[in-house]
Amino acid sequence: DGGITQSPKYLFRKEGQNVTLSCEQNLNHDAMYWYRQDPGQGLRLIYYSQIVNDFQKGDIAEGYSVSREKKESFPLTVTSAQKNPTAFYLCASISLGGLGTEAFFGQGTRLTVV
Amino acid sequence: SQKIEQNSEALNIQEGKTATLTCNYTNYSPAYLQWYRQDPGRGPVFLLLIRENEKEKRKERLKVTFDTTLKQSLFHITASQPADSATYLCALSRGYQKVTFGTGTKLQVIP
Repeated sequence: DGGITQSPKYLFRKEGQNVTLSCEQNLNHDAMYWYRQDPGQGLRLIYYSQIVNDFQKGDIAEGYSVSREKKESFPLTVTSAQKNPTAFYLCASISLGGLGTEAFFGQGTRLTVV
Repeated sequence: SQKIEQNSEALNIQEGKTATLTCNYTNYSPAYLQWYRQDPGRGPVFLLLIRENEKEKRKERLKVTFDTTLKQSLFHITASQPADSATYLCALSRGYQKVTFGTGTKLQVIP
């Protein structure tokens, strides 16, 4: 089955640590996105990538980094510079060959600072 | 900057009635407007997409309208059911670039 997989589902981070969230898709989609969602809030764009080895900052990129070495993978690193990292993180992908921009989402990773 | 507004208050309706959710936007001319459903602790799921040159789109019990003059979209669920209870998100884009989401409206359908 085609889809987009995020792992882990739950992640705990100590103060000062970097952590990496995984996002893999087998939909052959070109574009991939990372969003952050806080309780009762909408989705805020962190980074997005339209092609391999290229990515752009979203609205809240500070304290985060990404890479796009393969079309299927778009990992997000939450660095120690991110002062308030506790949130629900969502990865999405979009096919650039379609007529619209329907986004497919993973099931999310809930990150908690302990 | 771009701004998308959805009613932040929860919408409670009786089962069988039509639910109407609103999405307003400013400082933006989207080519596409989308609606997603999100259940607690899950990723959003795509429901409908409407293009800037379309006025209305239907899918089963769902209907979306798109008024680019008013900068507003309305999302209707007819014959609502308790299973329709969820948060509904509006999203705008001009193509393959940034897809911007609203804060969502929580719908509760009461049996």
